[in-house]
Amino acid sequence: KAGVTQTPRYLIKTRGQQVTLSCSPISGHRSVSWYQQTPGQGLQFLFEYFSETQRNKGNFPGRFSGRQFSNSRSEMNVSTLELGDSALYLCASSSGGDYEKLFFGSGTQLSVL
Amino acid sequence: QKEVEQNSGPLSVPEGAIASLNCTYSDRGSQSFFWYRQYSGKSPELIMFIYSNGDKEDGRFTAQLNKASQYVSLLIRDSQPSDSATYLCAVTEGGKLIFGQGTELSVKP
Repeated sequence: KAGVTQTPRYLIKTRGQQVTLSCSPISGHRSVSWYQQTPGQGLQFLFEYFSETQRNKGNFPGRFSGRQFSNSRSEMNVSTLELGDSALYLCASSSGGDYEKLFFGSGTQLSVL
Repeated sequence: QKEVEQNSGPLSVPEGAIASLNCTYSDRGSQSFFWYRQYSGKSPELIMFIYSNGDKEDGRFTAQLNKASQYVSLLIRDSQPSDSATYLCAVTEGGKLIFGQGTELSVKP
């Protein structure tokens, strides 16, 4: 059974640009959560989608947005990139929002120059 | 005050010793508690979860929960060098999973 797949693995952007990250959950999983990980702030919750609906949202500015498709694949978009957006973005999936079965992808390392 | 607090470490223990990792949380309404392990350059993986006060054992790992004190801990018995990693405490809060900063554990041979 394939794990959570995130693409791309690495990304370099410049300030002001926008970026879209992709996450394919484990087959059969309907919940996808996104996290930002930085050395200073640790793992911070961005948002969670379940059956194409945003179910929870963290304390991030509106520049961070996401969506989920009918096949449960999810995308995260960051507009008007800032230097502070440089981070590892992790996607995690679970079958129905039951956190004991949260599986993380390998992440997308975003560098903003 | 941070919602989930952990000592950042590093915590260094000799091989074969017991490693004790601690976590406190601020939301008294939290119901579910998790420990994730993250090796350097890798993504977090779930190693334990606990819902009720008391101890829960799984192999060399024991999770302990005290809701009155808002405290959760992870004990690793017979620590091995392969246990060297960052251990993340996570707590459910308002439908979200909130992580602590993590404690770096180093097990010396």
